[in-house]
Parts: sequence; C-alpha cells; structure tokens
Amino acid sequence: IVMTQSPATLSVSPGERATLSCRASQSVSSDLAWYQQKPGQAPRLLIYGASTRATGIPARFSGSGSGTEFTLTISSLQSEDFAVYYCQQYNNRPVTFGQGTRLEIK
Amino acid sequence: EVQLLESGGGLVQPGGSLRLSCVASGFTFSSYAMSWVRQAPGKGLEWVSGITDSGSSAFYADSVRGRFTISSDYSRNTLYLQMNSLRVEDTAVYYCAKILRGWSFDYWGQGTLVTVSS
Repeated sequence: IVMTQSPATLSVSPGERATLSCRASQSVSSDLAWYQQKPGQAPRLLIYGASTRATGIPARFSGSGSGTEFTLTISSLQSEDFAVYYCQQYNNRPVTFGQGTRLEIK
Repeated sequence: EVQLLESGGGLVQPGGSLRLSCVASGFTFSSYAMSWVRQAPGKGLEWVSGITDSGSSAFYADSVRGRFTISSDYSRNTLYLQMNSLRVEDTAVYYCAKILRGWSFDYWGQGTLVTVSS
C-alpha cells in the first residue's frame, strides 16, 4: 500500500493551525498512525487508530479520517512542533510509511 | 519507563554481515511484538522486519527477505537483527520499536547506524 503525504513542506506561523494530509492507495480502514520526528531523534508516536492520541500527546494534536483519506491537525503551533511528520498504515503487511511532511516556521 | 537500547552498528563492506541488538526494559518483553525500522540518510522511514510476541512468527520486507533474520531472546530481553549479504543500499539508521496496536510503534530506540561501503 502506497502512502502519499501532502504537502511535502508546510510553512506556518506559531500559534496558527496546521493541517497535514495522508492518502492511502487502497483502504486501510482506521489502521493509521502519525509520527513526529525531530533532527537527530527517533520518531515519536502521536496518533494511532487514525484518531487516538498516544500517551502524553497534547490535545492540540488531533487525527481524523478513515479508508484512504486522513488528516493530522495541530490546532495552535508551538515552537517544539516544527518537525517532520510521517503517516503509517498497518492494515496490511508490509506496513508502509508516507514520505513525510516537513513543518517549518513561516 | 520503557527503554530500548540498540547496539551493533558500524562500517561493513558490501557482502559482509552485522548483528544488531536491542535491549528492552520497562515492560514485559515477551508479551509484545517487536520490529526493526530503518532510515537511510536524509530519507524517510522503511519497515524492515517484525516478530510476534513469543517469537512464533517473523515477517520481512521484500528488500531484506532471505538476507536478514529477526529473533528474540526472552531470557535477555533482547531483540536481534542478523544482517547478511549487506548492500550499499542497506546503509541507514536502524531503530528497534515496540509494537502497540496492530503494527503501530509506540516506543523507539535511539537507533544505530549501519554503513555499508567499500
């Protein structure tokens, strides 16, 4: 299953809302996770089951969607949120990741 | 606190072998499936291999099947990845990751760098 993220780069000002998209080449039901990765660090799980926040993830992060279209929304960007974000489907093996969206400061 | 600590990376020539290790702590290792995910320099994430809880089944990406072997030692709380016939394109940071629901990954190690070059 091919996961396609858009846009490749998103420029947003602190305090504003960011909306990241992920599309699957076929239905993955709600078996979709989002990760955040900062330079030199391992990925961190944000969302699983398309919309469930992982332990310790702030409420400003929310996920939605099912089937083939998914969205990660960050309601009010903080300085620590600027990073690369990946979606991942785990409905079928091999699990596959999107190519990433780089969220940068505008 | 869940911790995953990888080791075993390094520089190896094409065709060579390496064994990666990942020592787990802070959870009941034998109760969870585990996986290896890699990231080539400047690139995205690629799932490599996974093993079910208690080691009953193993799965591999097509790119490594027949060359890599995943295993677990429950007496040592350690996950392994034996990598043979290494290729230049296997160069990456290799992460071990604990599997949450389905095959999403809730905890990751810090990664170990494998460089395949002559």
